[in-house]
Amino acid sequence: AQTVTQSQPEMSVQEAETVTLSCTYDTSESDYYLFWYKQPPSRQMILVIRQEAYKQQNATENRFSVNFQKAAKSFSLKISDSQLGDAAMYFCAYRSPYDYKLSFGAGTTVTVRA
Amino acid sequence: GAVVSQHPSWVICKSGTSVKIECRSLDFQATTMFWYRQFPKQSLMLMATSNEGSKATYEQGVEKDKFLINHASLTLSTLTVTSAHPEDSSFYICSARGGAKGETQYFGPGTRLLVL
Repeated sequence: AQTVTQSQPEMSVQEAETVTLSCTYDTSESDYYLFWYKQPPSRQMILVIRQEAYKQQNATENRFSVNFQKAAKSFSLKISDSQLGDAAMYFCAYRSPYDYKLSFGAGTTVTVRA
Repeated sequence: GAVVSQHPSWVICKSGTSVKIECRSLDFQATTMFWYRQFPKQSLMLMATSNEGSKATYEQGVEKDKFLINHASLTLSTLTVTSAHPEDSSFYICSARGGAKGETQYFGPGTRLLVL
């Protein structure tokens, strides 16, 4: 399995401000998929954003955007205009083009301060 | 779209009994489903990959005879925890492969299992 590293166990952000979560991964493949999933206290895993490695343009979904640096094997998630409902554990995940399995990072817990 | 359900959401059972957990893709067909286990404040640990009409593929260290997986249709996979013991207590999550190219996993809401 590929190694996915999330170096920030916890992050705190003031409501309405921006927070960036880091993710790096290890791979020798040139084409792959990257994902960010959100797991709120309900523990339902929710897909936040998805990036295909062959696409140079960074994916964006409303207030969520990524900074995909392929050469650096970095895939950070930016949450803009943070809301209380953004409080959750966020997982970065890697998927090889040859295997449908996901390799997950350890997760980052985001706390939003009112 | 891409909704996955799990049943039951909560189960408490006595040690030595078997428990079945169902995972359904509600609005899409899923040839491949996955079963994970998650401990509090930890990441997801893949247990097995379930392919419709064939035997499941288990990850290293997962007991096949203890965690029986059946994927009898394109919308249903089941995980049976046989002869459950307290150490099997955990949060079990399933996912189904979907998306335009089948590149994305969509997750069920999870099942909390407590073995007394």
